[in-house]
Amino acid sequence: EAGVAQSPRYKIIEKRQSVAFWCNPISGHATLYWYQQILGQGPKLLIQFQNNGVVDDSQLPKDRFSAERLKGVDSTLKIQPAKLEDSAVYLCASSPMASGGAGEQFFGPGTRLTVL
Amino acid sequence: GNSVTQMEGPVTLSEEAFLTINCTYTATGYPSLFWYVQYPGEGLQLLLKATKADDKGSNKGFEATYRKETTSFHLEKGSVQVSDSAVYFCALSDLGNTGKLIFGQGTTLQVKP
Repeated sequence: EAGVAQSPRYKIIEKRQSVAFWCNPISGHATLYWYQQILGQGPKLLIQFQNNGVVDDSQLPKDRFSAERLKGVDSTLKIQPAKLEDSAVYLCASSPMASGGAGEQFFGPGTRLTVL
Repeated sequence: GNSVTQMEGPVTLSEEAFLTINCTYTATGYPSLFWYVQYPGEGLQLLLKATKADDKGSNKGFEATYRKETTSFHLEKGSVQVSDSAVYFCALSDLGNTGKLIFGQGTTLQVKP
């Protein structure tokens, strides 16, 4: 079974530029998560989708971050404009469980973003 | 709100030593508890989990018991190997709400031959 795919793996941009990350979850998984992992910290949820609807985006800085999950499959996360403090690893995860379940989440390899 | 606290790292051990990584949590209700591991250059992967009080999760020689009375989920292994060197994250699932994972800050384990 193919795992969660993310691209690009690495991205370096200057502040005020924009950037987009892509995630392809495991086939059939209803729930998709985007986490931000700052160096030395645990991942923090940015946004959660069930199918193509948003379940939780309370921690998403909506003035600069946006995300979508068209057709309930792939998802993109965008930052515009980027700030220095956005430097982090962006992790995508998926789960077969409906939101609120206690199932395992499967993580992709992440995209490491450096903002100069 | 819900939160997870892990012991500070890094933890450096010799091969075959006993490992304990402490994890305590604060939560309303009865969350599920997880340990995830991140090997160098790889993504997070589930190591073990427990879904109710007194449950013991185990995998690859690692164990953790869900202790409701002490709100803890400490990770243990009787004899570590060099290949266990990784970052370990304790997490809880926000059960019944969104199911999102709330992570601790991670503990780096380095095992020396």
